[in-house]
Amino acid sequence: NAGVTQTPKFQVLKTGQSMTLQCAQDMNHEYMSWYRQDPGMGLRLIHYSVGAGITDQGEVPNGYNVSRSTTEDFPLRLLSAAPSQTSVYFCASSYGGGVGELFFGEGSRLTVL
Amino acid sequence: GIQVEQSPPDLILQEGANSTLRCNFSDSVNNLQWFHQNPWGQLINLFYIPSGTKQNGRLSATTVATERYSLLYISSSQTTDSGVYFCAVVNYGQNFVFGPGTRLSVLP
Repeated sequence: NAGVTQTPKFQVLKTGQSMTLQCAQDMNHEYMSWYRQDPGMGLRLIHYSVGAGITDQGEVPNGYNVSRSTTEDFPLRLLSAAPSQTSVYFCASSYGGGVGELFFGEGSRLTVL
Repeated sequence: GIQVEQSPPDLILQEGANSTLRCNFSDSVNNLQWFHQNPWGQLINLFYIPSGTKQNGRLSATTVATERYSLLYISSSQTTDSGVYFCAVVNYGQNFVFGPGTRLSVLP
């Protein structure tokens, strides 16, 4: 059972480039989310989804897009990367949203030069 | 929104010592989890504990939702316990709110 899988694990971008962080889960979880973790700032919610076709903004959504075309996948898109988006990104999923147990992927470290 | 505080912010222990980490939250919750972030950055589930007490080996946790706090106990600490411990809560919504974490260092 793979759980929550994120790719890539490491990425270096130049300012203005675009990229997509991939997240997939094989637990048939309805709820999926993206967090960013910065030193001294803890884990902050970027976007979340409560099911296929449904997405919503979290605490820090600016500069990021998401879509949820299937239950399994929840990609995070950076359309024009900025140095302020240098961070570690975590994808997480749960069955039942806020009432379920949250499981995390291993994280993706992004550096924007 | 709900505020989550964790104490202490930093803790240094000698191997074999016991410790208690605390999580306070400002409003009622219907979900609470404890996570361990290891030195490699992985977030590992420790306890899913909206209320009551659970134990898993040397670790145990207690949540008293009516008094808005949760405690994580680590007994006979080992160097592999080092890392950051996060408490995360849900205030009857969809999303978890994380505390700032307690950084634990266990010295050999």
